[in-house]
Amino acid sequence: DAKTTQPPSMDCAEGRAANLPCNHSTISGNEYVYWYRQIHSQGPQYIIHGLKNNETNEMASLIITEDRKSSTLILPHATLRDTAVYYCIVRPAFNNNDMRFGAGTRLTVKP
Amino acid sequence: DSGVTQTPKHLITATGQRVTLRCSPRSGDLSVYWYQQSLDQGLQFLIQYYNGEERAKGNILERFSAQQFPDLHSELNLSSLELGDSALYFCASSVDTSGGELFFGEGSRLTVL
Repeated sequence: DAKTTQPPSMDCAEGRAANLPCNHSTISGNEYVYWYRQIHSQGPQYIIHGLKNNETNEMASLIITEDRKSSTLILPHATLRDTAVYYCIVRPAFNNNDMRFGAGTRLTVKP
Repeated sequence: DSGVTQTPKHLITATGQRVTLRCSPRSGDLSVYWYQQSLDQGLQFLIQYYNGEERAKGNILERFSAQQFPDLHSELNLSSLELGDSALYFCASSVDTSGGELFFGEGSRLTVL
């Protein structure tokens, strides 16, 4: 059963911020939001994760709404190399078992 | 480079055959995961092992089996292959099962003719 809903595709201009939304309205209190991306047919790559506070690392920022029912992944200055499928995943804290990927959002960064 | 090594990178075989895919996790990682990705499909979780023991099972067919060895490498065995088994097979590893990120290998592309 899908725990997250993402738009199937999005476009972004190179150099602009890419904002990728994710709906997880049935998230439980002990579940984290994780983001991964898959460039072409390479292995998926971890981006960021969070529980309820906003998070930032060298790759992206994660904004989680106060009710935790949705989140947004922000790539502050998208480059052509950020073209990929982005997966939003919800999973319980302290439990990596059975981490399931949905269809994700195909982000295309255009020059 | 994630540190996870998968072999072979490419494999072409015929229907009815059996193949074995191999995964070496990152140094120190005890947990190994297998995923299947068919053409234009998302990643389907197959099975997870932790320190040699099966920990979780997903949509893995009965024709498929896996194991994790004492040196922590893992093998995924696919038998009685069908055309529909053509896919990318990814292995991932993590330190344990209690959280943190998964590190994925570059995958093994299986083509069944």
